[in-house]
Amino acid sequence: GQQLNQSPQSMFIQEGEDVSMNCTSSSIFNTWLWYKQEPGEGPVLLIALYKAGELTSNGRLTAQFGITRKDSFLNISASIPSDVGIYFCAGQRETSGSRLTFGEGTQLTVNP
Amino acid sequence: GAVVSQHPSWVICKSGTSVKIECRSLDFQATTMFWYRQFPKQSLMLMATSNEGSKATYEQGVEKDKFLINHASLTLSTLTVTSAHPEDSSFYICSAYTGGIYGYTFGSGTRLTVV
Repeated sequence: GQQLNQSPQSMFIQEGEDVSMNCTSSSIFNTWLWYKQEPGEGPVLLIALYKAGELTSNGRLTAQFGITRKDSFLNISASIPSDVGIYFCAGQRETSGSRLTFGEGTQLTVNP
Repeated sequence: GAVVSQHPSWVICKSGTSVKIECRSLDFQATTMFWYRQFPKQSLMLMATSNEGSKATYEQGVEKDKFLINHASLTLSTLTVTSAHPEDSSFYICSAYTGGIYGYTFGSGTRLTVV
């Protein structure tokens, strides 16, 4: 199916730095989800967003559901080496029922 | 929390053989199961959606006769890759959807290598 536009594709940062990534689409979404995937594993849910404008935190992670319902961002503060992985946004489109559309992913590398 | 158990975690098979991948929701009932495939360094691509007791809905370009999906109960869905070929080698992931607080729960994936 269609994919969301996720950027950046990859990030190389130093431990302690903050990280920001986002997803955009021309379609309207009812739900935005942010996942982390490690090698050889399935995605693990980090944050779920259900309302336009919603800002939600999970520890050092913060995500927002864009007001237009067409975008979302994820911030990670004070990164640590175990933050390494691929981060995916996923959205439940207004016209697609329960099917999820995934972004292309952001590969995060954290140098100690 | 909700757990989806996916087996096997990896499998190597010969070209022309069939492989079955199982996904079980351990502590909840999944009305809908999604099956994805993921190539290296790429995102998850939805293959099909299955609802318990009914035929799966396949995404455009996915061969339903090659990727057989069975969702016989609210806790078990299977994906069978029939007559596998090397180009079917990929990472296959299932996801159970309940629509409630658990939302979507992903299995740990199956690495299929066809030789």
